[in-house]
Amino acid sequence: QVQLVESGGGVVQPGRSLRLSCEASGFTFNSFAMNWVRQAPGKGLEWVAVMSFDESQIDYADSVKGRFTISRDNSKSTLYLRMNSLRPEDTAMYYCSRVIPVAGGEYFLDHWGQGSSVTVSS
Amino acid sequence: EIVLTQSPGTLSLSPGERATLSCRASQSVSSSYLAWYQQKPGQAPRLLIYGASSRATGIPDRFSGSGSGTDFTLTVSRLEPEDFAVYSCQQYGSSPITFGQGTRLEIK
Repeated sequence: QVQLVESGGGVVQPGRSLRLSCEASGFTFNSFAMNWVRQAPGKGLEWVAVMSFDESQIDYADSVKGRFTISRDNSKSTLYLRMNSLRPEDTAMYYCSRVIPVAGGEYFLDHWGQGSSVTVSS
Repeated sequence: EIVLTQSPGTLSLSPGERATLSCRASQSVSSSYLAWYQQKPGQAPRLLIYGASSRATGIPDRFSGSGSGTDFTLTVSRLEPEDFAVYSCQQYGSSPITFGQGTRLEIK
């Protein structure tokens, strides 16, 4: 069955960096686009970034553009999120998810990991 | 971007009752590209409905979705104890994808 397992979260000071990983199994990882979504405490879900199966297409939310970098290693079936210049408002649970595309380049998310917690605080 | 507003914020019902959750969009969602997810504490979000009314694999038929344009509804026909959770809608008709703030379905 499809499994997505995030890791790498923790407590970090403002301005520092962190890298999240998402290890995938149970499906052909290099055939699917992948996505990061976050959820701040007590808030709704917020889309963060998406990457196509072949890394040719990448997009970011305006709130993280220029600070976060999504990447993947298809040989390791792993998705990454490098987060630089972290801010207190980046505090959230970060979920990776598998993308199911529909016409026009839009998509929904059919499988999610359990999340990795990031706290940005001094 | 499209803003999704879910109501009510919290819904208190008993097992066996019918639950109706609303998701309203700030502008029309093209092609009814709307999904619903279920979240339980400490668990991964679970896809329930996509395309406004199509059930995802393995989702019981007591869950149904309807609507188009700006108004969408998730209905749980007869609540089971395991259905008490947070439900979020997501539109994917235009970029960026956006989510509602969630409805908490709690046991009365």
